[in-house]
Amino acid sequence: DAMVIQNPRYQVTQFGKPVTLSCSQTLNHNVMYWYQQKSSQAPKLLFHYYDKDFNNEADTPDNFQSRRPNTSFCFLDIRSPGLGDAAMYLCATSSHRELNQPQHFGDGTRLSIL
Amino acid sequence: AQSVSQHNHHVILSEAASLELGCNYSYGGTVNLFWYVQYPGQHLQLLLKYFSGDPLVKGIKGFEAEFIKSKFSFNLRKPSVQWSDTAEYFCAVNAPGAGSYQLTFGKGTKLSVIP
Repeated sequence: DAMVIQNPRYQVTQFGKPVTLSCSQTLNHNVMYWYQQKSSQAPKLLFHYYDKDFNNEADTPDNFQSRRPNTSFCFLDIRSPGLGDAAMYLCATSSHRELNQPQHFGDGTRLSIL
Repeated sequence: AQSVSQHNHHVILSEAASLELGCNYSYGGTVNLFWYVQYPGQHLQLLLKYFSGDPLVKGIKGFEAEFIKSKFSFNLRKPSVQWSDTAEYFCAVNAPGAGSYQLTFGKGTKLSVIP
């Protein structure tokens, strides 16, 4: 009965080779978020979609892009992964963008760069 | 921008011991406060949240947290921990007045409960 599903759980890619991470949700939530979490660090918001409206955080590198083709799916594209991009990537959803709405997280995708 | 500090990186307790995990935030305006828990191999789950009203908030599994505005703190407590509470705990804040929709997390505190 997972509600926010991330695929794959583990992803290995080569330095500079584009990679796409996937997130889907069964909650019909309006908002979908992508976070990056490096070892022993706090999850850091990269961007979020409010419906089709894309909102990038100011310090998110250009190397990171996102697509939301429909309500259920959201993708994180890393155009040219560097060694510093190895991390856990978390997808989350919330019903509305109002700040008192809790976020529901997926299990994450652990990305390794060779 | 707001920030969140969690004082302890790793806490080790015996079963039945009392727990208090510290969380301090920096933002002078109105805040919403959250504690999330991540059990081994699982996703982040909401433990409890504070938006307004009674500053003592009760969450799932016997956890509670107290918002002390004057101290910019939102410490998590449990009177008697169990082995199943072994997990990583994250404090998080967002600030309606900051004009940002960002949920800012602390670095997390790993709790190990010894049977």
